[in-house]
Amino acid sequence: GNSVTQMEGPVTLSEEAFLTINCTYTATGYPSLFWYVQYPGEGLQLLLKATKADDKGSNKGFEATYRKETTSFHLEKGSVQVSDSAVYFCAFVSNFGNEKLTFGTGTRLTIIP
Amino acid sequence: EAGVTQFPSHSVIEKGQTVTLRCDPISGHDNLYWYRRVMGKEIKFLLHFVKESKQDESGMPNNRFLAERTGGTYSTLKVQPAELEDSGVYFCASSQGWGTVNEKLFFGSGTQLSVL
Repeated sequence: GNSVTQMEGPVTLSEEAFLTINCTYTATGYPSLFWYVQYPGEGLQLLLKATKADDKGSNKGFEATYRKETTSFHLEKGSVQVSDSAVYFCAFVSNFGNEKLTFGTGTRLTIIP
Repeated sequence: EAGVTQFPSHSVIEKGQTVTLRCDPISGHDNLYWYRRVMGKEIKFLLHFVKESKQDESGMPNNRFLAERTGGTYSTLKVQPAELEDSGVYFCASSQGWGTVNEKLFFGSGTQLSVL
């Protein structure tokens, strides 16, 4: 069935370190891929998305590339900040007309000064 | 602009009791979704309203869960009777138009439900 596997946390990095959070998916058809972020005390918000193979989503210095051949959508940032501390969720929507997001388990990221 | 509001933010109840969660979407948003995250696992879809109609309720776990959206404004999610495995965070989201891909979803901060 449909599923998302993402890197287990928690992940702790020093400020200005390079970040990668791995995400792979199992889906039928041609899904659209997302990264959502939940900052402490807030709701989830869309960080970036990609809707077709080889597309790159980017926002706030974060990037992820839709890799159909490896069914992956890894999240990267070149230099993290303390304000990036949050829980990150990889997700997809199947392109078969349903609107359900299928999420991964989330990765808690803590950045230390 | 007010965001998606959920209350209560926390609820602690005993097994067998009834709990009602409420979600107020952004004004004018026809699409309303319920999701939940159980025990730190993945966030799972529960159901989707378009105005007052249930468009997709395939994620509702069993008949102890009842969702309503009378008048197409706010929504309630009632759990009766609550079981231990219902503990988790219940998220509500809304969007103006149809389509999770092209429409921006706005999430509430969730209701943390603890069933003891």
